[in-house]
Amino acid sequence: GENVEQHPSTLSVQEGDSAVIKCTYSDSASNYFPWYKQELGKRPQLIIDIRSNVGEKKDQRIAVTLNKTAKHFSLHITETQPEDSAVYFCAASIFGGETSGSRLTFGEGTQLTVNP
Amino acid sequence: DSGVTQTPKHLITATGQRVTLRCSPRSGDLSVYWYQQSLDQGLQFLIQYYNGEERAKGNILERFSAQQFPDLHSELNLSSLELGDSALYFCASSVRQGSYNEQFFGPGTRLTVL
Repeated sequence: GENVEQHPSTLSVQEGDSAVIKCTYSDSASNYFPWYKQELGKRPQLIIDIRSNVGEKKDQRIAVTLNKTAKHFSLHITETQPEDSAVYFCAASIFGGETSGSRLTFGEGTQLTVNP
Repeated sequence: DSGVTQTPKHLITATGQRVTLRCSPRSGDLSVYWYQQSLDQGLQFLIQYYNGEERAKGNILERFSAQQFPDLHSELNLSSLELGDSALYFCASSVRQGSYNEQFFGPGTRLTVL
């Protein structure tokens, strides 16, 4: 099955700096890569996603890049703010077809701390 | 608020017992997913239902079962509970079941097995 590895597990930055989180996946059939932000005790919330036919996507201070050949994708947060502090999860999705459905395989998460 | 509701919010029970977790998807969403989040395992996919039928299956234990009803709400049944089953259980829903459909997560049910 799919395996997603995420690094680093913890990341501490100063407010205003950039943060980069990297993930690799194993199954070349994965074609959708969402990133979720989870605050303590809360539900995961989608912050950005990218499809396999796109190399890069940006939404204000957040960007995601995808390298299909190397099977890795990264989250970039610029001009970090204390409210960006949370756990970030990458995920990879495989759609097995109408009768096999789809699943998200998550990375282990990165605890991002933005120090004021 | 994602529009996905889960009950109960918290559940405390003893080993060997059986519990049922309930999920109501967003209005119009046909696909429901269940995930388990424990401290040492991260977010683990358990099972997916689409329009009442089981579709994808993850590492779901035989002691666990789920179903999706005609009104599209779903229930996750956990039986013969063990201490290691203590975790946050999330339900998510999406409009359809393809890869590109954003999954919206509910607030979760925190299960504590004593």
